[in-house]
Amino acid sequence: NAGVIQTPRHKVTGKGQEATLWCEPISGHSAVFWYRQTIVQGLEFLTYFRNQAPIDDSGMPKERFSAQMPNQSHSTLKIQSTQPQDSAVYLCASSLDTGVEQYFGPGTRLTVL
Amino acid sequence: GQQVQQSPASLVLQEGENAELQCNFSSTATQLQWFYQSPGGSLVSLLSNPSGTKHTGRLTSTTVTKERRSSLHISSSQTTDSGTYLCAIEDTNTGKLTFGDGTVLTVKP
Repeated sequence: NAGVIQTPRHKVTGKGQEATLWCEPISGHSAVFWYRQTIVQGLEFLTYFRNQAPIDDSGMPKERFSAQMPNQSHSTLKIQSTQPQDSAVYLCASSLDTGVEQYFGPGTRLTVL
Repeated sequence: GQQVQQSPASLVLQEGENAELQCNFSSTATQLQWFYQSPGGSLVSLLSNPSGTKHTGRLTSTTVTKERRSSLHISSSQTTDSGTYLCAIEDTNTGKLTFGDGTVLTVKP
């Protein structure tokens, strides 16, 4: 079991560019979560899929952020027109279902110059 | 929404001493996890303990659900235990985790 896989591990973009982050959940896990970690805000929930369906995106900045889960083996988080305040570590987690332990990937460190 | 408070914010110990970390939360939780994060590292799940007492290695977690608090006890601390310990509560309706700000543990040799 390779755990949750996230790619790339590091990404640097210029202001206004697009960034796409990838997550491969643990095989067999039906719930996939995206979180963001910054020094100032700590760990914040962004969005959540269950059986590939979007369930809760209440933490997503509405205008430039979008997430998809086209199949059970991967999810993407896309940020359009990136801004310096988007710089953070973006974490993906998966679990067998809700109410049980979540397992986190290593994260993608996004730096927007 | 759920609020999670962790204390102390930081803790410095000599190797071999025990650590006691606290987590208080504002609403009933069906799932509670303790995580460890090394500087610049990823989140590692230590214990999942929504109620009662659980042990793994040198770690013991006790959660009193009706009092909305949990503790993490680290016995015989080692320098490699240094890092940030995070408590997270799962929202009963949505499954998302709300994290505390963490306790930064430093264990000196």
